[in-house]
Amino acid sequence: GDSVTQMEGPVTLSEEAFLTINCTYTATGYPSLFWYVQYPGEGLQLLLKATKADDKGSNKGFEATYRKETTSFHLEKGSVQVSDSAVYFCALSEGGTSYGKLTFGQGTILTVHP
Amino acid sequence: DTAVSQTPKYLVTQMGNDKSIKCEQNLGHDTMYWYKQDSKKFLKIMFSYNNKELIINETVPNRFSPKSPDKAHLNLHINSLELGDSAVYFCASSLQAYTGELFFGEGSRLTVL
Repeated sequence: GDSVTQMEGPVTLSEEAFLTINCTYTATGYPSLFWYVQYPGEGLQLLLKATKADDKGSNKGFEATYRKETTSFHLEKGSVQVSDSAVYFCALSEGGTSYGKLTFGQGTILTVHP
Repeated sequence: DTAVSQTPKYLVTQMGNDKSIKCEQNLGHDTMYWYKQDSKKFLKIMFSYNNKELIINETVPNRFSPKSPDKAHLNLHINSLELGDSAVYFCASSLQAYTGELFFGEGSRLTVL
């Protein structure tokens, strides 16, 4: 079955540091890939997505590129802020008959210090 | 206006009780979901409805029963609560069933004592 593996957290960075959160996936077909973010006490929000190989999703300074050859979708940001402190989830959806079911990674807790 | 709203936000109850969580979305979406987030933040889908029709029913105990009276509402009823049911339950919706672009509610934290 489908699965998503994220780097273990928690990740602690200083403000303006570079961020990478690794994500790899296993899927039977050609999934769409997503990063969702969960701020403290809130529900998840879609951060960015990519629907096919070599697509780059970007939003709020975050980027991730769909790499089919390495089955990866790593999240990056050049300069993090304290307000980026949250839990980040990588996810995939096979679309079609999966009816939009999202398979999530285990989440990575990011804490950014001033 | 909150796009996806759940009630209650917090629920503390005894083992063996029956409880319900309600969810409403005002986005005009066709598809709604229930996800369970455990204490380690792991998220797993439970159910999905598309236009009031059940389309996803993962391996969930029969004690959990979803109900969708209309496409804007998806409620979750849990019978005979067990300690292991303690979790945060998230309702979500999406415009169509296959996009993977979900809008989540703020979650309902259920604690079973």
